[in-house]
Amino acid sequence: QQQVKQSPQSLIVQKGGISIINCAYENTAFDYFPWYQQFPGKGPALLIAIRPDVSEKKEGRFTISFNKSAKQFSLHIMDSQPGDSATYFCAASRSGGSNYKLTFGKGTLLTVNP
Amino acid sequence: EAGVTQFPSHSVIEKGQTVTLRCDPISGHDNLYWYRRVMGKEIKFLLHFVKESKQDESGMPNNRFLAERTGGTYSTLKVQPAELEDSGVYFCASSQDGRAREQFFGPGTRLTVL
Repeated sequence: QQQVKQSPQSLIVQKGGISIINCAYENTAFDYFPWYQQFPGKGPALLIAIRPDVSEKKEGRFTISFNKSAKQFSLHIMDSQPGDSATYFCAASRSGGSNYKLTFGKGTLLTVNP
Repeated sequence: EAGVTQFPSHSVIEKGQTVTLRCDPISGHDNLYWYRRVMGKEIKFLLHFVKESKQDESGMPNNRFLAERTGGTYSTLKVQPAELEDSGVYFCASSQDGRAREQFFGPGTRLTVL
């Protein structure tokens, strides 16, 4: 049972375009939704995160949109650049003592063509 | 500040052999997590330490996997005996305290069982 579903599996965008990656979750107890960016040979690195009390969070060219009623959230990358080419993972976690284990989506391989 | 380090970066072993993976978290981080990504699948939680204490082992696949964190510093994950399905990338992540939701990931250990 996959608790966080991510789409698309891969995405090709032209430089300057908008990249959009979508995730849906099932567990309403989740209260923290991060996006991780991973380059080849590196570990995932936190890109941006949101909590369910807000519907949008923007950091530079990266925006998370959050729809609590639909249990969906998405990552938008504006003015996509070749340096953004990486694998992106959405994730979710819930409060529970000190354990904030992450539940991940399967990842999206983004390629930005010059 | 040094990030999370993992050793080795790659390991190729025969089925039935033993392998030990090591993770050094960021200094001062009490929380340490192990995750695994099997090819084509999502990154999955294995277990969580707070200092030297195991808090959640619910993601450990079976009793062939043994994790330790003696002294609350570095952690090891031993697989004995290794099976083909254990192949994947093993990630370690650390976070500062229970309220810090951001987890810092190491580069991973790619394990191949032949």
